[in-house]
Amino acid sequence: EPEVTQTPSHQVTQMGQEVILRCVPISNHLYFYWYRQILGQKVEFLVSFYNNEISEKSEIFDDQFSVERPDGSNFTLKIRSTKLEDSAMYFCASRYSGTKNYGYTFGSGTRLTVV
Amino acid sequence: GQQVMQIPQYQHVQEGEDFTTYCNSSTTLSNIQWYKQRPGGHPVFLIQLVKSGEVKKQKRLTFQFGEAKKNSSLHITATQTTDVGTYFCAHRPGGYQKVTFGTGTKLQVIP
Repeated sequence: EPEVTQTPSHQVTQMGQEVILRCVPISNHLYFYWYRQILGQKVEFLVSFYNNEISEKSEIFDDQFSVERPDGSNFTLKIRSTKLEDSAMYFCASRYSGTKNYGYTFGSGTRLTVV
Repeated sequence: GQQVMQIPQYQHVQEGEDFTTYCNSSTTLSNIQWYKQRPGGHPVFLIQLVKSGEVKKQKRLTFQFGEAKKNSSLHITATQTTDVGTYFCAHRPGGYQKVTFGTGTKLQVIP
């Protein structure tokens, strides 16, 4: 079964450093998303991306965050200057667009620890 | 935005017992999705309901969407240890791409 692949699985970074989280969505999916989940809490929407541009973003997704699809397969989330409160599991997801309204396929996540 | 609340927050059941989690919204939902997240894992899409009063079954799992489309439930018959995890309802408003997740119900099954 097709998978959404995320790398790295775990990233430790110092406060103030930039991090890039990488995702390879399922190849025929057209909608891409980043979500985050602070330990033990609910899954929070960050941003959706379609047709090479952001279609929606949440209040969490401020100027410190950016997304890119640089080469038609990878989908990246960049945090420019990490803060302690950015520590969370970051999930990439993708969705097929078709006549049926499928749910999201999530990747296995990147655990970001900011120290 | 539309908030979806889930109850209970936690549930411990003996293996073989039934389990139900409820999802409630103060406003009408255009659809409801259900996801399962195993401990340490990622959310996995289970199903989507769109019609008022809709009921769908997947083996031991029964999903229901309320007549007023303001609530939904997931019922598991005769739980097994493989059912352990957190069950989230989620909603994707019409015209939007984002899915908003509920607060989740963490299920623990005691062998």
